[in-house]
Amino acid sequence: NAGVTQTPKFRILKIGQSMTLQCTQDMNHNYMYWYRQDPGMGLKLIYYSVGAGITDKGEVPNGYNVSRSTTEDFPLRLELAAPSQTSVYFCASSGSGRTGELFFGEGSRLTVL
Amino acid sequence: DAKTTQPPSMDCAEGRAANLPCNHSTISGNEYVYWYRQIHSQGPQYIIHGLKNNETNEMASLIITEDRKSSTLILPHATLRDTAVYYCIVRGPYTNAGKSTFGDGTTLTVKP
Repeated sequence: NAGVTQTPKFRILKIGQSMTLQCTQDMNHNYMYWYRQDPGMGLKLIYYSVGAGITDKGEVPNGYNVSRSTTEDFPLRLELAAPSQTSVYFCASSGSGRTGELFFGEGSRLTVL
Repeated sequence: DAKTTQPPSMDCAEGRAANLPCNHSTISGNEYVYWYRQIHSQGPQYIIHGLKNNETNEMASLIITEDRKSSTLILPHATLRDTAVYYCIVRGPYTNAGKSTFGDGTTLTVKP
């Protein structure tokens, strides 16, 4: 199993550009999450999904959008990129929203100039 | 979910046991203690979790005090590859896993 796969690993954007970070998991997990991690800081939840067709905001959703059309995929869309969105983004999944542990992807490092 | 307190950093000699403490004095009876680690620039990795009994797996041991107000993660024979940030998280059974609070954690440096 590949687990949680994120693409791209690195990306540089200009201010105002848009892009989509891809996340896919092959563990048939219902729960998926997007986090951002700024240098030296902990993880902050951006959006999460409890199943296909269901998404909800996390702690820092402004400037982002998500969709969940399949169980496997949970893309994160950045509209009108800003320097404040320079960060490392992690996608994660869990089989259970309550007791399951989180499985993380390797991260996508985004720089907005 | 209860708040946790961890030392910001610790050192350990290679081959020795690394004992990482976590204080969670306000933990409730049904809240679990989870440990994750994050090796530089990688996604966090689940290590172990427990409720009240001590737990052991192939990666580590988790010792929870009888009053459950603190716990210790033990890496029995630390290697250089165990250098990472270790996060202690307390989470109730009704809290979505993804809403776990990853705070500052403890930066463990294993030295040769």
